[in-house]
Amino acid sequence: AQKITQTQPGMFVQEKEAVTLDCTYDTSDPSYGLFWYKQPSSGEMIFLIYQGSYDQQNATEGRYSLNFQKARKSANLVISASQLGDSAMYFCAIVAGANSKLTFGKGITLSVRP
Amino acid sequence: GAGVSQSPSNKVTEKGKDVELRCDPISGHTALYWYRQSLGQGLEFLIYFQGNSAPDKSGLPSDRFSAERTGGSVSTLTIQRTQQEDSAVYLCASSQSGQLNSPLHFGNGTRLTVT
Repeated sequence: AQKITQTQPGMFVQEKEAVTLDCTYDTSDPSYGLFWYKQPSSGEMIFLIYQGSYDQQNATEGRYSLNFQKARKSANLVISASQLGDSAMYFCAIVAGANSKLTFGKGITLSVRP
Repeated sequence: GAGVSQSPSNKVTEKGKDVELRCDPISGHTALYWYRQSLGQGLEFLIYFQGNSAPDKSGLPSDRFSAERTGGSVSTLTIQRTQQEDSAVYLCASSQSGQLNSPLHFGNGTRLTVT
């Protein structure tokens, strides 16, 4: 079985600053993928970034980067230069083994202050 | 191109009635998921279809819940004898394959309210 843990309470960050959202995972499968999704108040789920367990480098997508620490089983999302539009709920998710289901964490609420 | 389409967008039903929720995935996507999200909460996995394989039904909360995927495309989630605790947003998602790096594309959800 696979599991995602997101335990941070609501997060606040000042506009233009960087913020890190924590995610730890658990799986016994050596082959897995980690995803981050953003859900603004409108409710849509937006794919942000992906990290594979065998990827040698940390994934980056624009202002999003993933601090992947395999030995610690953590995959923290770093958002640089926060914008007001980054205020949303953020979900970490894992899929382990081909043709397996994607399992989500409980999410973290991020509020960006002007 | 067209994204994942869900209908209806909103459904209000009386306790005890049956409801059907529909999902049209992105054309060519072999994997299809149903999730449930209560207000301010995370995503609760319900069921997963991958190609012609038997679906993973491990997340269905009770035998009142069932889902079908006809012809490897459209999916219908059926809730029988609805209860107030079934009120939630039901999200459908599809992905291109069962590969690890295939992101899910989500629909806008069906908001179900059981009165």
